[in-house]
Amino acid sequence: GAGVSQSPRYKVTKRGQDVALRCDPISGHVSLYWYRQALGQGPEFLTYFNYEAQQDKSGLPNDRFSAERPEGSISTLTIQRTEQRDSAMYRCASSLGGGAPDTQYFGPGTRLTVL
Amino acid sequence: AQKITQTQPGMFVQEKEAVTLDCTYDTSDQSYGLFWYKQPSSGEMIFLIYQGSYDEQNATEGRYSLNFQKARKSANLVISASQLGDSAMYFCAMRDGNRDDKIIFGKGTRLHILP
Repeated sequence: GAGVSQSPRYKVTKRGQDVALRCDPISGHVSLYWYRQALGQGPEFLTYFNYEAQQDKSGLPNDRFSAERPEGSISTLTIQRTEQRDSAMYRCASSLGGGAPDTQYFGPGTRLTVL
Repeated sequence: AQKITQTQPGMFVQEKEAVTLDCTYDTSDQSYGLFWYKQPSSGEMIFLIYQGSYDEQNATEGRYSLNFQKARKSANLVISASQLGDSAMYFCAMRDGNRDDKIIFGKGTRLHILP
């Protein structure tokens, strides 16, 4: 597609439920990144992939968070047993991969609200 | 550890004036990249400009320029002839040039352009 797309754009869930957030990167982009952005703050890194391989998951807050990119294209970020503190904007970005500047282009984000 | 500091939480500027948004960074790496992103009220993250640590010239993109002062670890964004549509949150960000992973973002500066 023309840009990074994410779905759903908005998700309201009850505490304790699992949620799955989807990211469809720009066609041909090798690298895919997940960030979380709290209100009034800059995005914070969660994890990233090169093709289907998860290269760095150091930013995932705890083991309730996981991500996959099984075919090296679409990625899913899953949050199990959601808690109110998980409420935030979850952003996906993609880049061509390899060599500077390797600019990351962001999707519109998924606004998650945990009640 | 890498760190980005944006000391101006908010700025008010008269339309058509030039504006400088401050950004300082901290890193022990010799190779790194600096980015500026714009986030309007719609919430999208828009890439504006990139500066590599080895680039000898300051980066420019239309009305945007990056005042890169390596010795001072400063990467200020300059917007010339500001327009009402420039009102947005602006984030300075950095990535280690030797790795194709996460970008570290500053807390942002909210710019208001006054008519």
